[in-house]
Amino acid sequence: GAVVSQHPSWVICKSGTSVKIECRSLDFQATTMFWYRQFPKQSLMLMATSNEGSKATYEQGVEKDKFLINHASLTLSTLTVTSAHPEDSSFYICSARDFGELFSPLHFGNGTRLTVT
Amino acid sequence: KNQVEQSPQSLIILEGKNCTLQCNYTVSPFSNLRWYKQDTGRGPVSLTIMTFSENTKSNGRYTATLDADTKQSSLHITASQLSDSASYICVVSAGGGSYIPTFGRGTSLIVHP
Repeated sequence: GAVVSQHPSWVICKSGTSVKIECRSLDFQATTMFWYRQFPKQSLMLMATSNEGSKATYEQGVEKDKFLINHASLTLSTLTVTSAHPEDSSFYICSARDFGELFSPLHFGNGTRLTVT
Repeated sequence: KNQVEQSPQSLIILEGKNCTLQCNYTVSPFSNLRWYKQDTGRGPVSLTIMTFSENTKSNGRYTATLDADTKQSSLHITASQLSDSASYICVVSAGGGSYIPTFGRGTSLIVHP
């Protein structure tokens, strides 16, 4: 089945540095990918929709200059957390849908645990 | 505004018991509804999909129902196992070509031995 690979699975960084998270669709092309943030014991919160070849669409309240999204190819989207602060510590998950498959489910990556010290 | 409401927020049951999770939605136009299972620290995995014309669908011990008239869905888990402990998320996708998903907040299920 369709697989979405997310890397790294966990990262620890110092406050003020930037962190890049990659999301790859391994066996299908994804014109659209989604990025989520999840705090402990809470549901997924959609941060932005990543569109291949165009600008990402950010949800209300998400700073686009802080969470940079690049979707340069049909199989890769990246999320860069710039100038990270401890409050950015969270679980970040990406998902992608195979638009070549009718009613395709969202295929999720296994998430990235970000800890900012 | 498209919304998906899930209940209960959390549930604790004993191993071997059955349970039912609820999902109400206001997404329009409706395309499909999926139930996902999310284990702690992992990405969600699809359990079932329900389209407009489907009322019931089973996947092993999981049975999902859909009432498109009342815009309600349920996920029934039979003979629960410890491995069923997870968060169950209802996701409803809009139609009209966009298929933009709307997420419920999830139900946290804990199965005790």
